[in-house]
Amino acid sequence: AQKITQTQPGMFVQEKEAVTLDCTYDTSDQSYGLFWYKQPSSGEMIFLIYQGSYDEQNATEGRYSLNFQKARKSANLVISASQLGDSAMYFCAMREAGNAGGTSYGKLTFGQGTILTVHP
Amino acid sequence: DAGVIQSPRHEVTEMGQEVTLRCKPISGHNSLFWYRQTMMRGLELLIYFNNNVPIDDSGMPEDRFSAKMPNASFSTLKIQPSEPRDSAVYFCASSLSSLAGDTQYFGPGTRLTVL
Repeated sequence: AQKITQTQPGMFVQEKEAVTLDCTYDTSDQSYGLFWYKQPSSGEMIFLIYQGSYDEQNATEGRYSLNFQKARKSANLVISASQLGDSAMYFCAMREAGNAGGTSYGKLTFGQGTILTVHP
Repeated sequence: DAGVIQSPRHEVTEMGQEVTLRCKPISGHNSLFWYRQTMMRGLELLIYFNNNVPIDDSGMPEDRFSAKMPNASFSTLKIQPSEPRDSAVYFCASSLSSLAGDTQYFGPGTRLTVL
């Protein structure tokens, strides 16, 4: 089963509008972290925002916010006031705490990504 | 502060040749990760080091791939012999530790083309 599911292969948004990129996850761990990364056409992976499984408040970083719904296992990224430079691939990722008996193991598992295109 | 440094940025080689990719993690980070990105398979974790020790190499495709981390500031990923299907972008990432809440910061990647 997929641990991270991003159901939107592509999304379009008008400049200055808000957009939500969907992400659902699957884990039996109680402790985990959820991350969003941006990959522009230049190829680098840019960290955007982090949400811990025990965080009660939704994470925010400037124009980025994470709509965390733990019971539904969703961690959607909201970009407000879209800019042309936001056009990129966006990846949702999860890092689980790992097995309790051994060395903590922080494997980062990625979704397939969503291509966001911002129109002028 | 310098981020994760990878070299070379681009590598073009012929099938059968040895390829070595290099990574310098962010100073003070104890965990280092090698990923491969392809259109077909997306981002895959190849191997993960914690305090210079390989913790999980289950993602390494086959014996042609090997990785080392001789010290806290340097790691290599070697492919010998290389094959066309190894063509991909290889990312190195580092984080403070392996805790779930620690962010992984990625290097710029090495785009490998095997002819």
